[in-house]
Parts: sequence; structure tokens; C-alpha cells
Amino acid sequence: DAGITQSPRHKVTETGTPVTLRCHQTENHRYMYWYRQDPGHGLRLIHYSYGVKDTDKGEVSDGYSVSRSKTEDFLLTLESATSSQTSVYFCAISRTSEQETQYFGPGTRLLVL
Amino acid sequence: GNSVTQMEGPVTLSEEAFLTINCTYTATGYPSLFWYVQYPGEGLQLLLKATKADDKGSNKGFEATYRKETTSFHLEKGSVQVSDSAVYFCALSTNYGGSQGNLIFGKGTKLSVKP
Repeated sequence: DAGITQSPRHKVTETGTPVTLRCHQTENHRYMYWYRQDPGHGLRLIHYSYGVKDTDKGEVSDGYSVSRSKTEDFLLTLESATSSQTSVYFCAISRTSEQETQYFGPGTRLLVL
Repeated sequence: GNSVTQMEGPVTLSEEAFLTINCTYTATGYPSLFWYVQYPGEGLQLLLKATKADDKGSNKGFEATYRKETTSFHLEKGSVQVSDSAVYFCALSTNYGGSQGNLIFGKGTKLSVKP
């Protein structure tokens, strides 16, 4: 158990509304990641963070922004949600002692109508 | 670029059957290789990993050997159980530390085990 929680766990929203997903960790890990999971695509990296206020884009970052103002929280924001952003979103962390290995949270299921 | 290809499912087996899920990869440098498992309605759990050529990862009766010569990391289990029914993902990591970190995933293979 890597001490990762995600909130909300389920959300239904309408096209054009802003949405923020939260990832919270209890173990003070430096690296945090946001992925989306879609049928036929596996998981794809959206953004990642390598420290407070240090973030970078992943493979599918268009339409998403992130913020990390403190070590334990990594926020993913959809500024104006679209139906193509309906997905399951997973947060992950990696430990400094084994940086190549990522541990995942339980996920947030987002439906954009 | 880096990529992972795993066999498409679904795979349906009877309890106590032998399981193989094929995974091959393309990568620059020396990747670490992983198998993750996702049970229905849950997140991904790390099943096993190998960080260098010829390493064998093992956990819960599952095994996979890092074969650099064939760029493969096939998942095997000698006798599956109904409780092994899940989606299995092969993944690789080539960049970590510093300012980069990324896992490249295969598309997943759904396994159903019948009693």
C-alpha cells in the first residue's frame, strides 16, 4: 500500500465545466504522475511532477493542467471538460529508492456528458 | 520510439491450466520491465518486475524473465485460479530520476479463469 488516495472516486459533469481531481499521498514521495485509462489504449501519461511546483507534460497533456503546491497533493484540472475526456484517471507515485517503479491509486471514474 | 506489445485477449482458461501472456518491447537504452494486474473496479497493482537482462521477476506464482535477445518479458503461471481473473498489463520504464519519469504500457490482456 503506497498510501495514495484519489478524490472524488466518481464524477459526472457536463461539457464545458471545469473539473479538478485530487491525488493525495501520505509518504512524502517526490515523484507523482497522472494517467488516463481508455479501452484499447492501456494507460497513457498526462502529466507528472518531480517536486513541489515542478511539473512536466506527458503523452496526452492537451486540455489538462496540473498543480503541486505541496508534496502530498497533485491536482489535475480539466479547464473545460469535453466528452473525449471521459475516462478513468489514475494517480501514481514512485519512491526515491526505486524510482523506476510506480504505485497506483484506486482511480477516479469521470463521465463528461 | 519506445513501445510495448502484448497479446490481445480475452484469454479464457480453465482452473489449473498453464498461463502464458506474451509481451515484447521496443526501447532505447536499458529499460526496466513490469507486469501490473488490475482486478475489476480496482487500480493497478504491481505484480512483478525485472530491472536488467536475465532477471526473473516472480510473485504469487507468476513469473517473467527479462530476455534482451528477444526483447520479451512473457508472463507465466503454472496453474491459474479463478481469483487470477483480471486484466494484465505489461509496461516498461526507460527514464527515471532527474526530470523525467514515464511508464509505457501495453494495451492489456483480459484473463478469465473458469472453474
